[in-house]
This record gives sequence, C-alpha cells and structure tokens, in this order.
Amino acid sequence: TQLLEQSPQFLSIQEGENLTVYCNSSSVFSSLQWYRQEPGEGPVLLVTVVTGGEVKKLKRLTFQFGDARKDSSLHITAAQPGDTGLYLCAGEGRDDKIIFGKGTRLHILP
Amino acid sequence: DTGVSQNPRHKITKRGQNVTFRCDPISEHNRLYWYRQTLGQGPEFLTYFQNEAQLEKSRLLSDRFSAERPKGSFSTLEIQRTEQGDSAMYLCASSLGTNRSPLDFGEGSWLTVV
Repeated sequence: TQLLEQSPQFLSIQEGENLTVYCNSSSVFSSLQWYRQEPGEGPVLLVTVVTGGEVKKLKRLTFQFGDARKDSSLHITAAQPGDTGLYLCAGEGRDDKIIFGKGTRLHILP
Repeated sequence: DTGVSQNPRHKITKRGQNVTFRCDPISEHNRLYWYRQTLGQGPEFLTYFQNEAQLEKSRLLSDRFSAERPKGSFSTLEIQRTEQGDSAMYLCASSLGTNRSPLDFGEGSWLTVV
C-alpha cells in the first residue's frame, strides 16, 4: 500500500517567517503534486513535479522532488496571511492512481 | 467549460437512509476520481474510473458504497443504509487521464448523517 506522510500536521508562524513542509513515502511516484485547499472548497493544484531532483518555483513557494522520487518539500519564503490554508501533497503511483497525504494546516499570523 | 460540478452541495439524512451524489466532470476528461474527506484530514481515495470502466475501489469501502459512470461522462456515488461515520465531504475530481495530468476538483458534497 502506497502511503504519503506529511509533516508537520499543523504549523502556526508569524508573517514574514520562512517555513518548510515535508511529504515522505517509502514508495516511488511517477509524479508528485501539491494542492492548496480553502475551507469548504475542493483542493486547487499548485504544482506538479515529475523528475527526480526537480525544483519548481511559484513566486515565494519553492517545490522540490527528491532524487529518488519518494519525497518532496514545499518551502515558503516570507509567509503572508494569504498563505493560510491546508497544503496537500499527492502522489501518482501504480495504475496512475493518485493518493493524498493527510495535509499540513498552515496558519500565518499577521 | 464550467469545471467539475457536484450535486447536491449539502445533504442531511437520517441514519439508515440511502443517499446519492452526482459528479459532472470536465467534458474532455476521461478519468474520474471519488475521494472522502473528514475535517482536517487529506482526501481519502474511494474509487476511480477510466471512461466507464471502474479501475479500482478502495478496500476500506464497505459494500454499502457503490459508484457508477455509465456512459463515461457523469458519475454517481451511492451510499446505502447510511451510518453516522459516513458523515464527511465527498469530493469528485477529473483529469485527462494521461500520465502526470493533474486533478480538477469539484467543490464537494457535504454529507451529515443524523
């Protein structure tokens, strides 16, 4: 069974600080996606990483896929209150099935 | 295209009743997924379809849950004899189905079993 572990589960930090969220597995994924979800809405895609070691940037967000394609990280620089939300990683595994981690709930304090 | 549409958005039902949710995916998407999400948790995989074929159903799902996608377009998720533990948000997502194509989610259907 493929599983994705996200850490931390909760993170509350002050505006302007940097943070990193981790997504780990013992399984290899053909791609890994990061989503952000607001309360009462469905997740919205932020980025997809497909190559081991790949780094993608989206403004203040930096996403990295591990060399072995088993893990990923999301780094946010100078966090802002608008970054508050549930961040989900999702791996595309065998048979193109996409599974999700339990998420990291991020709260940025103004 | 208006994106993935789910109906109803909210459903309150008494324990033991049957409920059905509908999902209309993005028209050119041939893959459709159902997930269940409880408060503060990530989406839990339920089942997925490639066109009308159901590829996999989660082993965690009891026989009370069934999903169909009869013509490869819209899909329904039925829960029979609902239990309080079924209370959750049921999310539908669709994708092109090609390798590494991302999911487009609907806004979800909230189920409360009383």
